[in-house]
Amino acid sequence: EVQLVESGGGLVQPGRSLKLSCLASGFTFSNYGMNWIRQAPGKGLEWVASISSSSSYIYYADTVKGRFTISRDNAKNTLYLQMTSLRSEDTALYYCARHVNWENYFDYWGQGVMVTVSS
Amino acid sequence: DTVLTQSPALAVSPGERVTISCKASESVSTRMHWYQQKPGQQPKLLIYKASNLASGVPARFSGSGSGTDFTLTIDPVEADDTATYFCQQSWNGPPTFGGGTKLELK
Repeated sequence: EVQLVESGGGLVQPGRSLKLSCLASGFTFSNYGMNWIRQAPGKGLEWVASISSSSSYIYYADTVKGRFTISRDNAKNTLYLQMTSLRSEDTALYYCARHVNWENYFDYWGQGVMVTVSS
Repeated sequence: DTVLTQSPALAVSPGERVTISCKASESVSTRMHWYQQKPGQQPKLLIYKASNLASGVPARFSGSGSGTDFTLTIDPVEADDTATYFCQQSWNGPPTFGGGTKLELK
């Protein structure tokens, strides 16, 4: 069974940093591209970043470019999102999601981890 | 970025047929995908590439469309289908999502 379990969220002050993790199991992690997608409270879905299976291709939404860094450790089956210079508008539930290679749709999602940016 | 427009809400009775629409601001070929999100849960893939049923999804769900106009159909609707449904395109630039259609059962 495919499982994606996020961790690392919490309350953080504006301008500070936070690192999210997503532990994958039930599939060969190194064969799949991965993504972070967020959902502000009561709002829709916003794609944040993606990384290819071997980390060769990395993409970011304009709203986070230069502030967030996506990375992965295939030996640990773990996806990361390093978030810096956090803003109130980054407050959201952050999901990690697997995408089907060469197709940018998301076939498995984690349960999400909440990030709240507030003073 | 490609903007996807969905009607915000629908209310139907169990057993009826419901269609949920998604209109793209530019052509996305058939690279439109649909997700179901129940309250307090993560999104779940229903339909990929406009008309392909994802694994384990009941055949009551179907998708159609190409270019800019797409439809998700549930026939018949069951009480458990109460959820918000999102469309997502993967043809142009960064993946974008529609605002979601909240389906309520009467």
